[in-house]
Amino acid sequence: GNSVTQMEGPVTLSEEAFLTINCTYTATGYPSLFWYVQYPGEGLQLLLKATKADDKGSNKGFEATYRKETTSFHLEKGSVQVSDSAVYFCALSAPFSNTGNQFYFGTGTSLTVIP
Amino acid sequence: NAGVTQTPKFQVLKTGQSMTLQCAQDMNHNSMYWYRQDPGMGLRLIYYSASEGTTDKGEVPNGYNVSRLNKREFSLRLESAAPSQTSVYFCASIRPLTGTGYSPLHFGNGTRLTVT
Repeated sequence: GNSVTQMEGPVTLSEEAFLTINCTYTATGYPSLFWYVQYPGEGLQLLLKATKADDKGSNKGFEATYRKETTSFHLEKGSVQVSDSAVYFCALSAPFSNTGNQFYFGTGTSLTVIP
Repeated sequence: NAGVTQTPKFQVLKTGQSMTLQCAQDMNHNSMYWYRQDPGMGLRLIYYSASEGTTDKGEVPNGYNVSRLNKREFSLRLESAAPSQTSVYFCASIRPLTGTGYSPLHFGNGTRLTVT
């Protein structure tokens, strides 16, 4: 089956620290992988994505590389800011079928960045 | 701005009451989804609609019904609310696939429901 496991939080970092949030997945076929971010009181927003092995998704200084050999998609940022405080979700999209896309989400990792 | 709109934003119900959560998207997306978000459990799929006229159960459909009214609208109904349905509900949609691969979900801002 399909599933996503991500690092449990909460994570608290000082401003300008390096961030890694681990994500591993189990999937049949060749999924696409995503990181979503949720700010307080809002819905999830796409942060970055990768559609095939060795692809690197990047956005707003965040990066993640699709590693098929380790079934991982870890999120990294070199220097976090207070404005990065949010909940981060790793997700995969199962291969398309005649019933449509299926998405599987991790449990979310809460990040707080302190000045 | 184009996007996914959910109403209401907040709702408090008593056990046994019914209500319908509304969702509309104006991006001409084919597929629409209802998720619930609970602490420590991430997002769980309640129902989805791959296209207009079709609906299918997700991971946690019990106690809910859905209607895909047209291509734009996908509603979620609680016939007899229970405290276990206290949650944040998110509607999402996705554009049709193209030859370039998969597409991400677009989410509404959620409905925060409390059942007492």
